[in-house]
Amino acid sequence: DVKVTQSSRYLVKRTGEKVFLECVQDMDHENMFWYRQDPGLGLRLIYFSYDVKMKEKGDIPEGYSVSREKKERFSLILESASTNQTSMYLCASSTTPYEQYFGPGTRLTVT
Amino acid sequence: RKEVEQDPGPFNVPEGATVAFNCTYSNSASQSFFWYRQDCRKEPKLLMSVYSSGNEDGRFTAQLNRASQYISLLIRDSKLSDSATYLCVVRVTGNQFYFGTGTSLTVIP
Repeated sequence: DVKVTQSSRYLVKRTGEKVFLECVQDMDHENMFWYRQDPGLGLRLIYFSYDVKMKEKGDIPEGYSVSREKKERFSLILESASTNQTSMYLCASSTTPYEQYFGPGTRLTVT
Repeated sequence: RKEVEQDPGPFNVPEGATVAFNCTYSNSASQSFFWYRQDCRKEPKLLMSVYSSGNEDGRFTAQLNRASQYISLLIRDSKLSDSATYLCVVRVTGNQFYFGTGTSLTVIP
């Protein structure tokens, strides 16, 4: 079974804090993704990575950065958290051309 | 225009009913198609892939119409446990996945 894990299920941070969300997959997938999911807006792609140290911007990269130093790990960084970044963050991995597998999500609240 | 569009519902159906969801996609170069299920406050999980010839998995049947660029999901004999949001997902290239906003289903006793 593919397993994608995320470092936290729930996180509360203050405005202006730097926030790290980590994702680890155990299936040697080359592709990893970070999404946020908001009611009525569906899943929106923040960044994805197709190889170690490679990254591509998604639809809403502003205010976020990512890091992929190892194949199994993909980190999302909020440089200076803002209240409009309160959301559910979902990490996914895949191997082309197959489906994505999602982690359990991190519900981030920025106060 | 959105890449993938779904009727958001909600669909409220009695147990045992048959319910169908449709989804349209805009990119004719789309290569792979999927239905995911997402329970409240949980992550999306793959329900089934959708193949050109159509495919069935128990009570679930998926169809693809490339000419009209739509995908459907049929659920027969609905169970209470089928209550969830169903996401239509399209893969355009190796890394480009597009998600519909989901269709909410509630199966009523």
